[in-house]
Amino acid sequence: SQTIHQWPATLVQPVGSPLSLECTVEGTSNPNLYWYRQAAGRGLQLLFYSVGIGQISSEVPQNLSASRPQDRQFILSSKKLLLSDSGFYLCAWSKGQSWEQYFGPGTRLTVT
Amino acid sequence: AQSVTQLGSHVSVSEGALVLLRCNYSSSVPPYLFWYVQYPNQGLQLLLKYTSAATLVKGINGFEAEFKKSETSFHLTKPSAHMSDAAEYFCAVSAPGNKLVFGAGTILRVKS
Repeated sequence: SQTIHQWPATLVQPVGSPLSLECTVEGTSNPNLYWYRQAAGRGLQLLFYSVGIGQISSEVPQNLSASRPQDRQFILSSKKLLLSDSGFYLCAWSKGQSWEQYFGPGTRLTVT
Repeated sequence: AQSVTQLGSHVSVSEGALVLLRCNYSSSVPPYLFWYVQYPNQGLQLLLKYTSAATLVKGINGFEAEFKKSETSFHLTKPSAHMSDAAEYFCAVSAPGNKLVFGAGTILRVKS
């Protein structure tokens, strides 16, 4: 069976510090991978989407970047965090042409 | 462009009462539709999906939803609410590129 992992689970970082969040998927190959941000009361905002290694699509201009160094690894990064980067970050995967997405447990980021 | 509107950011029901969470969608092509549930500080879990087969879809935990093309709706129902149903519920519609567009979410409160 497939599983998706995210770490860390929680993170408190000062403004201006760098960020690296990691997502890995097990039990499948060549998944589509997604990063979402969930702000309180505002639903899910798609940040990045990847169909393969090194292939990243950015959905909104922002202070964040994403990379996919391996088939089942998806990394969300920032060089300098802003207060507005606080939120709950979710990674998800889907397979092939399917729209059905499976979500990881999330990372709670607080920028102070 | 695809969009989802969830009517009511908060819904409160008594234990044992009917649960009705409303979702209306907009799509220029025949949609696939999804309902997800999120418990506090967790990722999203797929409840059910409509993929152009039967219009009445049954999901996990006793939930079901009916696709009504004429009303562009995909409302989620459960005959009898349990305390464990208290969570946030998201409706989503398929979008080009194997993406999902999510509604803003509805928080369900179950009163004892």
